[in-house]
Amino acid sequence: GNSVTQMEGPVTLSEEAFLTINCTYTATGYPSLFWYVQYPGEGLQLLLKATKADDKGSNKGFEATYRKETTSFHLEKGSVQVSDSAVYFCALNYGGATNKLIFGTGTLLAVQP
Amino acid sequence: DTGVSQDPRHKITKRGQNVTFRCDPISEHNRLYWYRQTLGQGPEFLTYFQNEAQLEKSRLLSDRFSAERPKGSFSTLEIQRTEQGDSAMYLCASSQGGTANTGELFFGEGSRLTVL
Repeated sequence: GNSVTQMEGPVTLSEEAFLTINCTYTATGYPSLFWYVQYPGEGLQLLLKATKADDKGSNKGFEATYRKETTSFHLEKGSVQVSDSAVYFCALNYGGATNKLIFGTGTLLAVQP
Repeated sequence: DTGVSQDPRHKITKRGQNVTFRCDPISEHNRLYWYRQTLGQGPEFLTYFQNEAQLEKSRLLSDRFSAERPKGSFSTLEIQRTEQGDSAMYLCASSQGGTANTGELFFGEGSRLTVL
């Protein structure tokens, strides 16, 4: 079946440190892949996406590359800020045009000044 | 603000009572989704609508759960005879279908249910 596995948190970093949050998936076919972010007290919002193999999604300094050979979609940022503190969810679209998503369990990122 | 709104934000109820949550999607979105999120887990798909038609229900949606979207705009999710295991955050999301579909879901802030 379809599933998403992401690294457990919390991840605690100092400001300006490099961030990697690992995400791997199992899926039939070639799903679109997403990273959603949930800031404290807010709803989930899309951070970035990639729709096919070797695509790189990017937004707000975050990047992730759709790697079919390793079934991965790791999230990276070169220099994190305190304002990046949030829960990050990796997700895949297993419903095609219906946009049904399977989410990972989420990774809490805490950035300290 | 024209985002997805949910009401109430927090509901505390006693086991066995019925509860209803409301979701108002982004006005131009014809698709509406309900997800459930328990502590330490990612959201899980429950059901989705295209306009007023409920097109799919997850097996997570027991017969105590019913969702409606009568006029293709707002939606309600009712839980009858609540159980402690129903305690969770209920998330609503909307999206556009057809040629405007970008694959992105727009989420509300959720309705947290606590069953005592």
